[in-house]
Amino acid sequence: GEDVEQSLFLSVREGDSSVINCTYTDSSSTYLYWYKQEPGAGLQLLTYIFSNMDMKQDQRLTVLLNKKDKHLSLRIADTQTGDSAIYFCAESMNTGFQKLVFGTGTRLLVSP
Amino acid sequence: NAGVTQTPKFRVLKTGQSMTLLCAQDMNHEYMYWYRQDPGMGLRLIHYSVGEGTTAKGEVPDGYNVSRLKKQNFLLGLESAAPSQTSVYFCASSLGLARNEQFFGPGTRLTVL
Repeated sequence: GEDVEQSLFLSVREGDSSVINCTYTDSSSTYLYWYKQEPGAGLQLLTYIFSNMDMKQDQRLTVLLNKKDKHLSLRIADTQTGDSAIYFCAESMNTGFQKLVFGTGTRLLVSP
Repeated sequence: NAGVTQTPKFRVLKTGQSMTLLCAQDMNHEYMYWYRQDPGMGLRLIHYSVGEGTTAKGEVPDGYNVSRLKKQNFLLGLESAAPSQTSVYFCASSLGLARNEQFFGPGTRLTVL
């Protein structure tokens, strides 16, 4: 099937690190993505990782990819209240065109 | 650049009514998509288009129709709305390259009574 799975909820304190996990299904996915959705808004691309990479760092964000286990994670260092949002992972599936399959989203709540 | 815009932002329909959601993008993107977002289910692809004049079914196409008469616009139609179509609808567009970064509109919240 095309299930991309994420835990539904994560709560952290401001200043802590947050780790959001995702498992995907298609071992041939070329790119994997993390999108952020703030309340009442559309999704915004946060970062992506190419499938031949294990790790990608972008300021406070670190993406880890374990292809063997089909596991993707997003670590946010020094989490701020402005990071409170829903985070979606997505995998690209080559089905004649580059289709994205999204996870169910993880709601991150950052408390002061 | 406005990016991806959607109209309307909110709408309430009665069962059986029809409506059209409009999506517009000013990035000259080839690919456009319509998704629906429901609690606990993430985003599901309704229909998509890989270029002007083309459309194709996604994961949940039943009850919806689409048209892409102009490259910058992608219309989603509900001919006879049902309560099961109560959802938040997102339009997205992309260049259609291998990386396929999709840019999303702000969404339309539709309630069908």
